Amino acid sequence: DAMVIQNPRYQVTQFGKPVTLSCSQTLNHNVMYWYQQKSSQAPKLLFHYYDKDFNNEADTPDNFQSRRPNTSFCFLDIRSPGLGDAAMYLCATSRGEGAEYNEQFFGPGTRLTVL
Amino acid sequence: GQNIDQPTEMTATEGAIVQINCTYQTSGFNGLFWYQQHAGEAPTFLSYNVLDGLEEKGRFSSFLSRSKGYSYLLLKELQMKDSASYLCAVRDSNYQLIWGAGTKLIIKP
Repeated sequence: DAMVIQNPRYQVTQFGKPVTLSCSQTLNHNVMYWYQQKSSQAPKLLFHYYDKDFNNEADTPDNFQSRRPNTSFCFLDIRSPGLGDAAMYLCATSRGEGAEYNEQFFGPGTRLTVL
Repeated sequence: GQNIDQPTEMTATEGAIVQINCTYQTSGFNGLFWYQQHAGEAPTFLSYNVLDGLEEKGRFSSFLSRSKGYSYLLLKELQMKDSASYLCAVRDSNYQLIWGAGTKLIIKP
């Protein structure tokens, strides 16, 4: 089945220790997104790629970086995690502009704990 | 600024009908989405409205009034598995999704 996969599902890191979250997709979608979601809050868009074009949200901290080496994979790097970065990180994909619905398909998320 | 408002929490009884409202103020409008999110899981797509009116999909229906900046999600014949958060999201003039914080729906037997 075509899907969005995130690894790991649960990640524990120490304050200040770099961590990388990964996302892969078999949907062959052009657009990939990274969201941060804290409990009972709306998903907050960190950045997205349209193919290789990187789009950073204005309020995304410099501590968060992303890489998309190819269509299928996208990585979220948190250079120096703080306690406030503990959250669920959601990866999503969509076909891109022009698709009728252009709904986003989400992976299962990675829950990050910062000790 | 851009804003999506939904009730924080609602409670309903198994077998009943519930309506979850969403109001929005965004810079432009290019469609409204409803997603379902079970606790600890990712959101899954439920419905999409871009024109005024009602879209029906089995037990779920979604309504849109663009002039009022208003939508609702109607869930019929509620089942226990419908206990989840329901997120309203609006695509603005830049085709960015603006998300609401979600409505937590609690179903009681």
